[in-house]
Amino acid sequence: DAGVTQSPTHLIKTRGQHVTLRCSPISGHKSVSWYQQVLGQGPQFIFQYYEKEERGRGNFPDRFSARQFPNYSSELNVNALLLGDSALYLCASSLELYTGELFFGEGSRLTVL
Amino acid sequence: AQSVTQLDSQVPVFEEAPVELRCNYSSSVSVYLFWYVQYPNQGLQLLLKYLSGSTLVKGINGFEAEFNKSQTSFHLRKPSVHISDTAEYFCAVRNYGGSQGNLIFGKGTKLSVKP
Repeated sequence: DAGVTQSPTHLIKTRGQHVTLRCSPISGHKSVSWYQQVLGQGPQFIFQYYEKEERGRGNFPDRFSARQFPNYSSELNVNALLLGDSALYLCASSLELYTGELFFGEGSRLTVL
Repeated sequence: AQSVTQLDSQVPVFEEAPVELRCNYSSSVSVYLFWYVQYPNQGLQLLLKYLSGSTLVKGINGFEAEFNKSQTSFHLRKPSVHISDTAEYFCAVRNYGGSQGNLIFGKGTKLSVKP
C-alpha cells in the first residue's frame, strides 16, 4: 500500500513568489496535517484538516493557507515567500482526528532565494 | 503552553554500546508522549508512544522509553546500538484529548553510531 505521498519533492522559488505543495494521504485516512521543519529544528505544526474542515492551526502568518479535497488529499499554499520560508514541509495523515498513528510523508523541500 | 526540550543536540556512540537520548517536557495538562526517528532525506517514523498504563514503553528496533511524571521526562534508551541506528530522533507531546495531528516536537538529537 502507498504511504503518504508529497509533491514536488524539491523546488526553488524567489522571494515574493507563491508556492503550492500537495499531499495524498494513506488510503482511508481522513485527517491531514502539515508541518514546517527548518534546518536544525524539529517540525512545527502549521495546520490540521479533517473531513475538509480546518481543525487546528499553528502560529503561522496568514500567508500560509491550506485546504482538503473530497478525496482527502490536501494542498498547502504559501504566498509572498520570504527567505525564512525555506524549509522541509511535511505532510502527515491519520485515520481519524483523535485516534490512530500519525504517518509522515518524505516532505517537500522548499528553497527560497 | 507546552514545550519539549531535548537536552543533547548530538550524541556520538560506538557500535554495540548502550545509548540514552533525553527528553523533558513542560505542560499544565496531561500529555501523550512520542518518539520519532528521521533517517536522512526521509520523513518521520514512529518509534514508540506513551498513552497510558505501564510507564515503560517498548518500541520498534529494540528501543524503549520510560515515562516519569514527577520529573516530566520521557528518555529513550537502547541497550546496544547498530550502525543503522544513525539518524535524528525527535521527542513529541500532545495534549490529552488533543487532536492526533497537532504535535509539539523537540529540536531533535542526532545519534551518530561509529564502528
